Amino acid sequence: DTAVSQTPKYLVTQMGNDKSIKCEQNLGHDTMYWYKQDSKKFLKIMFSYNNKELIINETVPNRFSPKSPDKAHLNLHINSLELGDSAVYFCASSPYTGGDNEQFFGPGTRLTVL
Amino acid sequence: QQQVKQSPQSLIVQKGGISIINCAYENTAFDYFPWYQQFPGKGPALLIAIRPDVSEKKEGRFTISFNKSAKQFSLHIMDSQPGDSATYFCAASPIYRGGGNKLTFGTGTQLKVEL
Repeated sequence: DTAVSQTPKYLVTQMGNDKSIKCEQNLGHDTMYWYKQDSKKFLKIMFSYNNKELIINETVPNRFSPKSPDKAHLNLHINSLELGDSAVYFCASSPYTGGDNEQFFGPGTRLTVL
Repeated sequence: QQQVKQSPQSLIVQKGGISIINCAYENTAFDYFPWYQQFPGKGPALLIAIRPDVSEKKEGRFTISFNKSAKQFSLHIMDSQPGDSATYFCAASPIYRGGGNKLTFGTGTQLKVEL
C-alpha cells in the first residue's frame, strides 16, 4: 500500500517539450505539495494545495502549472522544458495545513532535460 | 537567502560513535523544527521534530537539542549504525493554520557510518 505515489519515476525529454508528473495519496490528507530537489540535494517547496485550493505558490516560472482535480491528486505540468528544470520532483502530503504536522513524501520523479 | 543553515555538508562516523548535525535559523517566526532522513532513491521521511517550548527531545537513539536564544538546533545520533547512512535535512516552519505548512529546509548532511 503506497501512501504517496508518483508517476513516472523517471522522465527523460528534450528541451522545449511539455511534460506532466502525476501524484496520488491514499492517506486521506487535505494538503499536498510539490518540491524540487536540485543536483546538490537542496529541497525547495514549489506549490501547496489544500482541498484543491492553491495556498502556497513560491517564485516558480509560469511554465510550471499544478492542478488538483481532487484532494487525493496533485499533478504538475511543465511547459517548454529547459535544461535547468532537470531535478528530482517530490510530491508530499500532510493531514492539514498547520506547520506542525508531518509531511509524507512520495518516491520522487527524476526529470532529465536534454 | 538561506534561512536555515546546516552543517556539516558531509560527515563520516565510526560505527557506535555519535553523529552530530547542526542547524541555525534566522526567521523568529519559525516554531516547528523537524528533521528528515533521506535514503538514496527515496523521498525524505520525518525522523523527529521539536517545538521551541522544550530544549531537548529524545526518540530512541535520536535526540534534538534546541537553543532558542541562539536560534540553533542540532541532531544527535547515538550509537550510529551503518543503516543510519543517509542524507539528513533539518527544516523549520511557522505553526499557523490555514497558511500552509511551508517547510524551509537546510542544505542537507550526507552521513556515512563506517564499520
